[in-house]
Amino acid sequence: SQTIHQWPATLVQPVGSPLSLECTVEGTSNPNLYWYRQAAGRGLQLLFYSVGIGQISSEVPQNLSASRPQDRQFILSSKKLLLSDSGFYLCAWSVRPGVTEAFFGQGTRLTVV
Amino acid sequence: AQSVTQLDSHVSVSEGTPVLLRCNYSSSYSPSLFWYVQHPNKGLQLLLKYTSAATLVKGINGFEAEFKKSETSFHLTKPSAHMSDAAEYFCVVSDRNDMRFGAGTRLTVKP
Repeated sequence: SQTIHQWPATLVQPVGSPLSLECTVEGTSNPNLYWYRQAAGRGLQLLFYSVGIGQISSEVPQNLSASRPQDRQFILSSKKLLLSDSGFYLCAWSVRPGVTEAFFGQGTRLTVV
Repeated sequence: AQSVTQLDSHVSVSEGTPVLLRCNYSSSYSPSLFWYVQHPNKGLQLLLKYTSAATLVKGINGFEAEFKKSETSFHLTKPSAHMSDAAEYFCVVSDRNDMRFGAGTRLTVKP
């Protein structure tokens, strides 16, 4: 069966520090991968999606970047965190975009102080 | 480009009464549509999905949704609300490569 792992679950980082959140998927090949952010009281905002290794699409200009060094690994990064980067970050994958549903990780609660 | 609009940010119902959560979408292609639920401090759970088969879709926990292409809507309904239904609900549209979430509707169920 397929599983998705996202870590860490919670993170408190000072302003200006770097960020690296990792997501890995098991049990499937060539998935579509997604990073979403959920700010308090708001819906999920699509940040990045990837259809394959090294292929990243960015949805909004921001202080974050994403990389996909391996087929089932998706990394969200920042060189210098801002207070506005605080939020709940969710990684997700789907097999057949536009047809099948997405499966979500448990999320990372990031607080920038 | 595709987008989804959830028409109500907050819906409050009494236990045992019907639930209606409204969703409208726009898409350049023939999209798939989903409803997810998020209980407090928990991950996202799929309630139901529409992928170009039957327009009336039944999901878990007694929820169902009807795809209406002419109205570009995919409203979520349940005949009788239960206290455990209190949560945040998200309508999602997906075509080609990305998935777009609505802003969410918070459902409150009063005893």
